[in-house]
Amino acid sequence: DVKVTQSSRYLVKRTGEKVFLECVQDMDHENMFWYRQDPGLGLRLIYFSYDVKMKEKGDIPEGYSVSREKKERFSLILESASTNQTSMYLCASEGKGGYEQYFGPGTRLTVT
Amino acid sequence: EDQVTQSPEALRLQEGESSSLNCSYTVSGLRGLFWYRQDPGKGPEFLFTLYSAGEEKEKERLKATLTKKESFLHITAPKPEDSATYLCAVHPSGSARQLTFGSGTQLTVLP
Repeated sequence: DVKVTQSSRYLVKRTGEKVFLECVQDMDHENMFWYRQDPGLGLRLIYFSYDVKMKEKGDIPEGYSVSREKKERFSLILESASTNQTSMYLCASEGKGGYEQYFGPGTRLTVT
Repeated sequence: EDQVTQSPEALRLQEGESSSLNCSYTVSGLRGLFWYRQDPGKGPEFLFTLYSAGEEKEKERLKATLTKKESFLHITAPKPEDSATYLCAVHPSGSARQLTFGSGTQLTVLP
């Protein structure tokens, strides 16, 4: 079974703090993704990565950056957290052969 | 622009009352259509992939079907544990590794 893990289930941060969200997958998948999910807005793609050290902007990259130094790990960085970044953050991975994405359990981030 | 519309937004069923969820899509070409289940506070769980019109997939009480314009998720004799939000997503042709998600159908099965 594909396993995608995220560093925290719940996180509370203050406005202006730098926030790191980490995601690890154990299936040697090439592609990894970061989404945020908000009520009424559904899943929105923030960034994705095809390979180590490669990254592509998704639909809502503003205020975020990412890092992929190892194939199994994909990090999302909020350089200076703001209250409008309070959300559920979901990481996903996808193998080369198919297009289905496998999701982690999510991190519920609250910025106060 | 690629679009995915799910209906209804919410559905309440009695245990054993079969029904269907709808996913309508507009894409320039379809590489695949995906169904996910999401429990509150958790990440989506992959259920099915459908690639071409006429294809069907089954898993326990769930059956997914695909036409050229929509997909249905049929739930036969549902149980309370089937209560969840069901998400549909499409992978359009020419779109490099990006899925377009619908907003989901929140299913509640009452005992």
